[in-house]
Amino acid sequence: DTEVTQTPKHLVMGMTNKKSLKCEQHMGHRAMYWYKQKAKKPPELMFVYSYEKLSINESVPSRFSPECPNSSLLNLHLHALQPEDSALYLCASSQTSLFYGYTFGSGTRLTVV
Amino acid sequence: QKEVEQNSGPLSVPEGAIASLNCTYSDRGSQSFFWYRQYSGKSPELIMFIYSNGDKEDGRFTAQLNKASQYVSLLIRDSQPSDSATYLCAVAAGGTSYGKLTFGQGTILTVHP
Repeated sequence: DTEVTQTPKHLVMGMTNKKSLKCEQHMGHRAMYWYKQKAKKPPELMFVYSYEKLSINESVPSRFSPECPNSSLLNLHLHALQPEDSALYLCASSQTSLFYGYTFGSGTRLTVV
Repeated sequence: QKEVEQNSGPLSVPEGAIASLNCTYSDRGSQSFFWYRQYSGKSPELIMFIYSNGDKEDGRFTAQLNKASQYVSLLIRDSQPSDSATYLCAVAAGGTSYGKLTFGQGTILTVHP
């Protein structure tokens, strides 16, 4: 299995809602990432997990809460988002022994109304 | 100064021509370099990575790295309309158990029949 699977593919949520994005990989990768990408912009790093521990938080607002329950799963919990948080949210994973780049999931297109 | 710089384009080439995409980076400690292709509305897909100075070829793609000049490029030979996409250059430092990629703004490539 060489895929990173993200669900849902599309999500529309109100500013008072709580929702979660899910990411799963079975490649044995022990580093997992969340990126945010706005239209016509490059991906921006949000969080890095290495061996299920949070290694990097790029000063992301607390309305985004990551969770790594095990080595295959990565969640992003969303609460009280703003319309400007609408974007493509990308999950990625990578090896830790030798870094050959990320494998990205197909992304979740999030719209906050 | 941006850490990773690319010409945003658009770069337009005729079918069958060579497309040349360029990228410069500011961190001399960077150790690994990546090219991703991203179709509109899709997630980035890894095309090439390169670690050592010189050329690396994979099919129609050649990555070139010059660490002294802090320059990396991607050549696409025999360009096809299906190569039309945004090409993202990404750079990583070493020394950790994960890879923190810094992306350039991306170059839009259009291959016209």
